[in-house]
Amino acid sequence: GAVVSQHPSWVICKSGTSVKIECRSLDFQATTMFWYRQFPKQSLMLMATSNEGSKATYEQGVEKDKFLINHASLTLSTLTVTSAHPEDSSFYICSATGQGRPGELFFGEGSRLTVL
Amino acid sequence: GEDVEQSLFLSVREGDSSVINCTYTDSSSTYLYWYKQEPGAGLQLLTYIFSNMDMKQDQRLTVLLNKKDKHLSLRIADTQTGDSAIYFCAEIYETGGFKTIFGAGTRLFVKA
Repeated sequence: GAVVSQHPSWVICKSGTSVKIECRSLDFQATTMFWYRQFPKQSLMLMATSNEGSKATYEQGVEKDKFLINHASLTLSTLTVTSAHPEDSSFYICSATGQGRPGELFFGEGSRLTVL
Repeated sequence: GEDVEQSLFLSVREGDSSVINCTYTDSSSTYLYWYKQEPGAGLQLLTYIFSNMDMKQDQRLTVLLNKKDKHLSLRIADTQTGDSAIYFCAEIYETGGFKTIFGAGTRLFVKA
């Protein structure tokens, strides 16, 4: 149990376009979802925390108008990278809590974004 | 503030033991987790230890916790090439809800 799925796993887009990444908890209700960004050979950088039905809480330095997060249901959160530029190219990972041990995170498979 | 530190790279030969170390700063942590990330994938929980335990063993994995020194280690016995991955130490503590602080990750490379 406790499966989190991300879609798409890889996306290539042109500079200036917007890209939406979905994160779904398949077999449990996720009270909180997190979005991370990971650069090559680097650790996870928490971008934002989202709770169902409320606005996301962004970490310092993350532009909320650039990275739009919507958490409309207990099983779905979306991250939209608006007006993407090559510097937005990265590996984006989501995680969710809602079951398991306290604070245990269940991660999606990650989505690799390449902006040309 | 809270911080979790790990060494960044470890290389071992197949069949040897690997020991990945982690230090943390917050003494109020409730759980300490080890996550594994294989190339191009998300993270998976590998093992965990409660903050009131000193040791936990799970097949080839042994977790040691020294609360006095705020030091956590993960030992992988008989390391295999399939163990090559990035291992993240994570400290969980309560602050209203649960907050997770990740280390930078240790890249384990296993030579055949």
